[in-house]
Amino acid sequence: GAGVSQSPSNKVTEKGKDVELRCDPISGHTALYWYRQSLGQGLEFLIYFQGNSAPDKSGLPSDRFSAERTGGSVSTLTIQRTQQEDSAVYLCASSLTGTGGYEQYFGPGTRLTVT
Amino acid sequence: GESVGLHLPTLSVQEGDNSIINCAYSNSASDYFIWYKQESGKGPQFIIDIRSNMDKRQGQRVTVLLNKTVKHLSLQIAATQPGDSAVYFCAEGLQGNYQLIWGAGTKLIIKP
Repeated sequence: GAGVSQSPSNKVTEKGKDVELRCDPISGHTALYWYRQSLGQGLEFLIYFQGNSAPDKSGLPSDRFSAERTGGSVSTLTIQRTQQEDSAVYLCASSLTGTGGYEQYFGPGTRLTVT
Repeated sequence: GESVGLHLPTLSVQEGDNSIINCAYSNSASDYFIWYKQESGKGPQFIIDIRSNMDKRQGQRVTVLLNKTVKHLSLQIAATQPGDSAVYFCAEGLQGNYQLIWGAGTKLIIKP
């Protein structure tokens, strides 16, 4: 079946502009995660959704970052007034449940470059 | 050999040899452990997992070993191939908790 998809695959934006990143999880997966990965680095947790609720937003770097999920499916990560330090690959993952013990399936990521 | 670079630790292995990638996990209460492989330009991909009631699990060409006494996890890849070149991440979790704690990653380089 279809895996996790993300769009766009690449996004170049000017400093100060807003960007929206989209994630389509695997159908039926109730848990959704956003991570950020800088070049040559590990995964930085941003936010977790269980259904449409986000019980843990603790990883969001600043109030310029927000995310929502609708219909228990698609999620968007919005970055307002982008800064150069926001440049990274943004990865989305989904899992069958959020109760642990189930692997997370990752999308290919969106590479964001802020100029 | 194994070395620590500016970012990720790197392991260089001769093609055909076995690779062993190590990971020290942080939470003694963690009961679920996963290895992921991330190829260049792609998202991490699940390789194998193991629960804390086991100390060894085998997959196709891969074996994961868990030593709870010293909180150590390892991934062994048999007969390493060029396609195994990637960054390998370990992650630990707890049943009933959504959060995975991710390791820093190890870059595996295959020498021809």
